[in-house]
Amino acid sequence: RKEVEQDPGPFNVPEGATVAFNCTYSNSASQSFFWYRQDCRKEPKLLMSVYSSGNEDGRFTAQLNRASQYISLLIRDSKLSDSATYLCVVIGRGSTLGRLYFGRGTQLTVWP
Amino acid sequence: DTAVSQTPKYLVTQMGNDKSIKCEQNLGHDTMYWYKQDSKKFLKIMFSYNNKELIINETVPNRFSPKSPDKAHLNLHINSLELGDSAVYFCASSLVVGSQETQYFGPGTRLLVL
Repeated sequence: RKEVEQDPGPFNVPEGATVAFNCTYSNSASQSFFWYRQDCRKEPKLLMSVYSSGNEDGRFTAQLNRASQYISLLIRDSKLSDSATYLCVVIGRGSTLGRLYFGRGTQLTVWP
Repeated sequence: DTAVSQTPKYLVTQMGNDKSIKCEQNLGHDTMYWYKQDSKKFLKIMFSYNNKELIINETVPNRFSPKSPDKAHLNLHINSLELGDSAVYFCASSLVVGSQETQYFGPGTRLLVL
């Protein structure tokens, strides 16, 4: 079983739509959680960290459910520029520094 | 520009050749990494160095040898290239603040082995 599982999509939504991505992780001792964004043929970039209480950054809301080992990302009022692949990332408790586990990513296309 | 840079950006070579990819970061980070992203888009860590010392070495063939001459550089040498080595290789460096670690990726090196 993979450390991090994501629905690869693709998700195709119109501008202005709300879209949600989910991710599950297998290691219950996982400590830190993130969403990264990767544009086509580019490097991954940190979008936001995910905190236990949930957190929001503009149109983006991240949620963590430790009991279900589940992370989500909600994008409101989608823009064309949101088209990218969204990677769920997990770091385990006690892991050697830098041992990030990446999901395979969920592809989003926002159309006009 | 402050960044993580990699050279070359593209690398096309024949099976059996030996090649190197170079990575440099001027962000002052202590830790650097090599990742491989295959055709299925999975991003998997290969190696990690902290202050020039190897701290992560995933199950990677011996043909791959990282070298860190100083904490700003982490190079990757690949011997006897195979078709399955074709992938995008990303270098990264990380900043740790409290319990939060953020990784900054280079632009990637697209390796094609023919």
